[in-house]
Amino acid sequence: QSALTQPPSASGSPGQSVTISCTGTSSDVGGYNYVSWYQQHPGKAPKLMIYEVSKRPSGVPDRFSGSKSGNTASLTVSGLQAEDEADYYCSSYAGSNNSLFGTGTKVTVL
Amino acid sequence: EVQLVESGGGLVQPGRSLRLSCAASGFTFDDYAMHWVRQAPGKGLEWVSGISWNSGSIGYADSVKGRFTISRDNAKNSLYLQMNSLRAEDTALYYCAKDSGYDLRPSINWFDPWGQGTLVTVSS
Repeated sequence: QSALTQPPSASGSPGQSVTISCTGTSSDVGGYNYVSWYQQHPGKAPKLMIYEVSKRPSGVPDRFSGSKSGNTASLTVSGLQAEDEADYYCSSYAGSNNSLFGTGTKVTVL
Repeated sequence: EVQLVESGGGLVQPGRSLRLSCAASGFTFDDYAMHWVRQAPGKGLEWVSGISWNSGSIGYADSVKGRFTISRDNAKNSLYLQMNSLRAEDTALYYCAKDSGYDLRPSINWFDPWGQGTLVTVSS
């Protein structure tokens, strides 16, 4: 049970786009469409941003989008805003009643 | 409004036990699977354990298997985590989170919402 791999950091200027990758294996990310993404601001609980690879919960801006290719999932934040500065984590079902999180990515708005 | 409130954290010596609780409200508790997720200070999220609506399916991370036991009391709308043989590396903020589905099979879906967490510190 190894954590999914994410880049430690990503950044962009306001209005630009940033894409975060989440790499696993065929036993987790590549094997299921239950990939989700969470946003966490300092001192706060995580918040669901994307579920089932590319679906957005109500209330989440359409600037947030998700996709998957093979064993790698991605989260794209378009039109970056100051409030998007946070830590982002991916998660995937890993079979046999187990779930995995990614290592986390700190997004900085320059 | 869905609300999850964790309690039971604190300072505990290595090798000792602690029981965490999560009180749920605002939804039909026994319709959903529930989970514990932890976050060590300054570190990332780690899924700890999950339990189906009727306790028929349970899963644990390898790091806690054999030491932690998850349970639920649907009559009390409560989720629990019994933590035994605690180690320094178990020090973390422990979150309770609701699944979108009722079982861990065929899959664990996604976690929404989350509670605010309860801090467990394992130290002598």
